[in-house]
Amino acid sequence: DGGITQSPKYLFRKEGQNVTLSCEQNLNHDAMYWYRQDPGQGLRLIYYSQIVNDFQKGDIAEGYSVSREKKESFPLTVTSAQKNPTAFYLCASSIGGEQYFGPGTRLTVT
Amino acid sequence: DQQVKQNSPSLSVQEGRISILNCDYTNSMFDYFLWYKKYPAEGPTFLISISSIKDKNEDGRFTVFLNKSAKHLSLHIVPSQPGDSAVYFCAASMLGTSYGKLTFGQGTILTVHP
Repeated sequence: DGGITQSPKYLFRKEGQNVTLSCEQNLNHDAMYWYRQDPGQGLRLIYYSQIVNDFQKGDIAEGYSVSREKKESFPLTVTSAQKNPTAFYLCASSIGGEQYFGPGTRLTVT
Repeated sequence: DQQVKQNSPSLSVQEGRISILNCDYTNSMFDYFLWYKKYPAEGPTFLISISSIKDKNEDGRFTVFLNKSAKHLSLHIVPSQPGDSAVYFCAASMLGTSYGKLTFGQGTILTVHP
């Protein structure tokens, strides 16, 4: 079964801690993306990667970091520098024009 | 600067009737448009797309219309069903230059009443 997995579904952290969100895909897609969704807002692009070992900042990259060491994996680190980290985080991959999304991770920082 | 806008935060429709969701964009370089459906606490699922060389694309109960001169697209769902109740996002991209990077609208909450 091909798809995108994100883990965990829910994540809780204390303020000041870095946290890494996992994203894995077995669709053999080259491009991968990270978005965050806040209540009443659309999806905003954090980072994207078109190929292994390459990634670009999206619209709201401050306070986040990523790596792309393998085609299948695109982990996102939410650092302590991110001012409002509590949100729903979505990972996607694409080949061509359509993006396919994972189930998301709800991160709560207190 | 919101390049893709969905000006209606919510829409309520009776089962069996037509649902029309609207989306406006400002960037004339966008050449590919998509609609996604999203349930709470889940990832969006792709519904239907349209290229800028077309003005209509149909898939079952879903039809997307594109008016390039008005920079406007709409999604029609006929007939609407209670299971269609979800948040609908429109998205736009520049296929030739942006490697699939999508710009999303804010979403419209559709509620279909039995």
